[in-house]
Amino acid sequence: EPEVTQTPSHQVTQMGQEVILRCVPISNHLYFYWYRQILGQKVEFLVSFYNNEISEKSEIFDDQFSVERPDGSNFTLKIRSTKLEDSAMYFCASSDWEGGANVLTFGAGSRLTVL
Amino acid sequence: ELKVEQNPLFLSMQEGKNYTIYCNYSTTSDRLYWYRQDPGKSLESLFVLLSNGAVKQEGRLMASLDTKARLSTLHITAAVHDLSATYFCAAATGTASKLTFGTGTRLQVTL
Repeated sequence: EPEVTQTPSHQVTQMGQEVILRCVPISNHLYFYWYRQILGQKVEFLVSFYNNEISEKSEIFDDQFSVERPDGSNFTLKIRSTKLEDSAMYFCASSDWEGGANVLTFGAGSRLTVL
Repeated sequence: ELKVEQNPLFLSMQEGKNYTIYCNYSTTSDRLYWYRQDPGKSLESLFVLLSNGAVKQEGRLMASLDTKARLSTLHITAAVHDLSATYFCAAATGTASKLTFGTGTRLQVTL
């Protein structure tokens, strides 16, 4: 079964450092997303991406965040200057529209720990 | 802004019992989703509900949607330990592709 793959599975970084989280979406999907989940809390939307541009973003997705699809297969999330409160599990997802619905397939997640 | 709430937040139930998780959403929604998350793992899609009165079943889980009440339910029949997980509902509207997730219900099935 096709899957979304994410790397790294766990990253530890110092506050103020830049982090790049990588994702390979399912190959025939057209919509890509980043969500995050702080430990024990709900899944929060960060950004959606379609046709090589951001289609929607949340208030969490401020100027220190950016996304890119550098080479037609990878989809990356960059956090420019990490803060303690950025510690969370970051999930990448991809989807396409079938039968009137877009079912998101999530990757296994990248756990970010900011010290 | 679409808001999604679930209750209960935590549910401990015995094997063999039935129970229902409730998901309310604040504005008109075209699509309602249920996902399962095992501890430390990713989210697995369970159901997508698209219309009023929609009902879907898979094994011991059955999901339904009442768009007039803005309510979806996930009913668990004769729970087994393997169903222990956190269950999230999520809603989406119009052509917006993002899903808005509920708070999650942590289900613990005890022997």
